Amino acid sequence: QVQLVQSGDEVKKPGASVKVSCKASGYSFTSYGITWVRQAPGQGLEWMGWISTYDDNMNYGQNLQGRLTMTTDTSTTTAYMELRSLTSDDTAVYYCARDAPGATFDHWGQGTLVTVST
Amino acid sequence: QSALTQPPSASGSPGQSVTISCTGTSSDVGGYNYVSWYQQHPGEAPKLMMYDVSKRPSGVPDRFSGSKSGNTASLTVSGLQAEDEADYYCNSFAGTYNVFGSGTKVTVL
Repeated sequence: QVQLVQSGDEVKKPGASVKVSCKASGYSFTSYGITWVRQAPGQGLEWMGWISTYDDNMNYGQNLQGRLTMTTDTSTTTAYMELRSLTSDDTAVYYCARDAPGATFDHWGQGTLVTVST
Repeated sequence: QSALTQPPSASGSPGQSVTISCTGTSSDVGGYNYVSWYQQHPGEAPKLMMYDVSKRPSGVPDRFSGSKSGNTASLTVSGLQAEDEADYYCNSFAGTYNVFGSGTKVTVL
């Protein structure tokens, strides 16, 4: 069965960086892209960006450009999301999701809580 | 990249129907038939409930249906059940990015 398993929760200080991993299994990794979504406490979902697992083509959300890097490792079927220069506004649960045709997010990771605090 | 507009809340009694709207622009909802809907229970990851405007994934009850007219998409839940109480988010493809709706909390009275 399709599974996306994310790395554990993180606590970071302002100005630091965080890297979250998303290990995929149960399907052909390079046949689907990976989308990253975040959700601040008590808030809605925010699309962060998408990366092709086939050719590393990517699109990032406008407000995260310059701080966000998405990568993939096809040898380990793992996707990564790195966010730099963290502020308290980046405190959120970060999700990876399999991106099916039509920009449909059909399977989700369990979420990784990133807390930015002094 | 502004969020799509959804009503903050909707409610209905068991067995009734509730419809959630999702309003965007001609650059997103109105420009593509790539609108999807997600259900999220507290503390859980979102779950895909509808895609390509009106297609249901395997395992989603046929009580859920989707439609679109112009720049507004809608999700209807018929025959409301207690387990339908959750937050619902729409999402639309917009060319080089995607955008979520603001979210609607559905309460089963």
